[in-house]
Amino acid sequence: QSALTQEASVSGTVGQKVTLSCSGNDNNVGSFVVGWYQQISHGAPKTVMFGDSLPSGIPDRFSGSRSGTTASLTISGLQPEDEADYYCSTWDYSLHAQVFGGGTKLTVL
Amino acid sequence: QVQLVESGGGLVKPGGSLRLSCAASGFTFSDYSMYWVRQAPGKGLEWVSYSSHDTTTKYYADSVKGRFTISRDNAKNSLYLQMNSLRVEDTAVYYCTRAPYGTAFDYWGQGTLVTVSS
Repeated sequence: QSALTQEASVSGTVGQKVTLSCSGNDNNVGSFVVGWYQQISHGAPKTVMFGDSLPSGIPDRFSGSRSGTTASLTISGLQPEDEADYYCSTWDYSLHAQVFGGGTKLTVL
Repeated sequence: QVQLVESGGGLVKPGGSLRLSCAASGFTFSDYSMYWVRQAPGKGLEWVSYSSHDTTTKYYADSVKGRFTISRDNAKNSLYLQMNSLRVEDTAVYYCTRAPYGTAFDYWGQGTLVTVSS
């Protein structure tokens, strides 16, 4: 069982807005910068968000936020190329470990 | 541009050893914390190890503690993972990744495959 909880699957149509969530606790999501990672067909992960910072080259339809112990990744204007697995991760102070969510499979219908 | 290139993966028997390397370029390596992250076939991402920018702080996942050792050579812009007493369950693609905020990653390498099998 992962330390961070993500939806197993989310789907949306082209152009729709979807939000993926990452739920943790005060020792991890509530205290540290959370990263979001996109993985297409088990290729190398690519960072699409860390905290509320958008890496260079990532379209601005991706945005990140946090409320308490839940982080969210929102994709506004879903595109076919956004279909992928998405993982969240951050440090856990009590575990002295980097923790990951189990991943969300995003399907673009 | 930032590049991270892993090498050193391969096929090894249970109980064997491997040393992974990650060559960094395009940034001041000594300024950044670095991580090793792995992904077993069909599974999610799993953290393996962390090194602070100056090597003073290192952490390991419980699953590899006592068997794996992270190190870095800032003069050579390289990160390493010495893996001993390898187990079948260590079979995975191993990625090195840069952590500008210490807890979130911005760049990843392409990964190197480690297969532990008799």
